[in-house]
Amino acid sequence: QVQLVESGGGVVQPGTSLRLSCAASGFTFRENGMHWVRQAPGKGLEWVALISGDGNNKYYAGSVKGRFTISRDDSKNTLYLQMNSPIADDTAVYYCAKDRSLTWSLDAWGQGTLVTVSS
Amino acid sequence: QSALTQPASVSGSPGQSITIFCTGTSSDVGTYDYVSWYQHHPGKAPKLIIYEVINRPSGVSNRFSASKSGNTASLTISGLQSEDEADYYCSSFTTINTWVFGGGTKLTVL
Repeated sequence: QVQLVESGGGVVQPGTSLRLSCAASGFTFRENGMHWVRQAPGKGLEWVALISGDGNNKYYAGSVKGRFTISRDDSKNTLYLQMNSPIADDTAVYYCAKDRSLTWSLDAWGQGTLVTVSS
Repeated sequence: QSALTQPASVSGSPGQSITIFCTGTSSDVGTYDYVSWYQHHPGKAPKLIIYEVINRPSGVSNRFSASKSGNTASLTISGLQSEDEADYYCSSFTTINTWVFGGGTKLTVL
C-alpha cells in the first residue's frame, strides 16, 4: 500500500533554513506528481507546492514563492521541501501528498511533520 | 489566492444527512471540474473522499456524495455515523496552476 513518511521537522530560527523529506513507497514514485500541504495550529489546510512526476514543473503558493523550493530524488523515492528564511507564519504541520494523476486531487497523505519557527 | 469559503461547523444526529457547501470564484471552482473533498481526523493523515466534483475513490462509502453548481460545490453525507465526525475540506485547482483549500468544516455527530 502507499506509504508516505515525512521527517525533518523541528524548531528553526527565523531567517535560517530547514529541509523536510518525505519517503515514499508502495507506488511508482517517478510517475507521480507530489505536493506539500501545511496546517498551521488551529487553522485549515494550505497548499504549499507541487512538483510534477518528471520534476520539470514546479508550482508554489504565493505565501512561500521565492523562499521554499520543492524537489525530488527518484533514485531514493524521496520528496523534499527546502525552507529558506522561514517566518513565524510558516509554523505548521507539513504533509506530503501524492497527486492522483489527471484528477488534480491528492489521493494519499503522510502523517505530517511539525515545523516551529521561533527564536 | 483566497481560501474557498466553508461553514466553520455543521452537526447532525446519527442517521441524518448533512450538506457542506464550498464557495469559490470563477478562478477556481467555477472554471474547473477539479474539486475534491478531504476528511481529516485530527492527528491522522487527511483522506481523499471525492475527486473531480462527484467521484469517489475505491473504498469510500457511497454515503458520501457531492456536486457543483457555478462557483459552489457541495458535499453530502447521508446516514451519519459517529466515525464521520471529523474536519472536512474542499479543494480546487486554480487558473494560476495552484491548488486552494477551503477553511474547513468541523462535523459533529450529536
